[in-house]
Amino acid sequence: GIQVEQSPPDLILQEGANSTLRCNFSDSVNNLQWFHQNPWGQLINLFYIPSGTKQNGRLSATTVATERYSLLYISSSQTTDSGVYFCAGFTGRRALTFGSGTRLQVQP
Amino acid sequence: ETGVTQTPRHLVMGMTNKKSLKCEQHLGHNAMYWYKQSAKKPLELMFVYNFKEQTENNSVPSRFSPECPNSSHLFLHLHTLQPEDSALYLCASGGTSRSYEQYFGPGTRLTVT
Repeated sequence: GIQVEQSPPDLILQEGANSTLRCNFSDSVNNLQWFHQNPWGQLINLFYIPSGTKQNGRLSATTVATERYSLLYISSSQTTDSGVYFCAGFTGRRALTFGSGTRLQVQP
Repeated sequence: ETGVTQTPRHLVMGMTNKKSLKCEQHLGHNAMYWYKQSAKKPLELMFVYNFKEQTENNSVPSRFSPECPNSSHLFLHLHTLQPEDSALYLCASGGTSRSYEQYFGPGTRLTVT
């Protein structure tokens, strides 16, 4: 199956700072999603982005499918942005393969 | 109620117990999934059901037994589990004519004693 690598594994920011999270895939994916996992374990959908760029408030994402990577941008970070961010690719098995996540801590 | 719901949210069971996890989706999706998240490991797929038919079993031990009676409900029957099966079990649904986007339930945090 495909391999999904996320970087960095851990990130500490001061409130108000900007950050970029990266996701690399070992093979082509038909679908790509970004999630935020809150402290209670709930996976919250951020973006469904097989290709191109999308923006939602302070968050935006870009997927370059031909080069097999995706980026998640967080601007003007807030303490509520803390948690683990996962990217996941949809394979021929019609199920998501997840990366190991980026653990983000935003300090006041 | 909308979205994907899971019950119970927390479960503690002994190794000789039998219990079931329940998942329900109200999104009209064609597929339902069980994923497992263990400490310090990526989320991993367990089972996939498409239109009530199991299409994927990711080498899951037989002590985990899924059931999908219809496209809105998914169960995971548990029996004679081991302590290493303690984990967060997440249900998801996805798949329409327009999108493969998946949505997750809140999870069941399982502890096997």
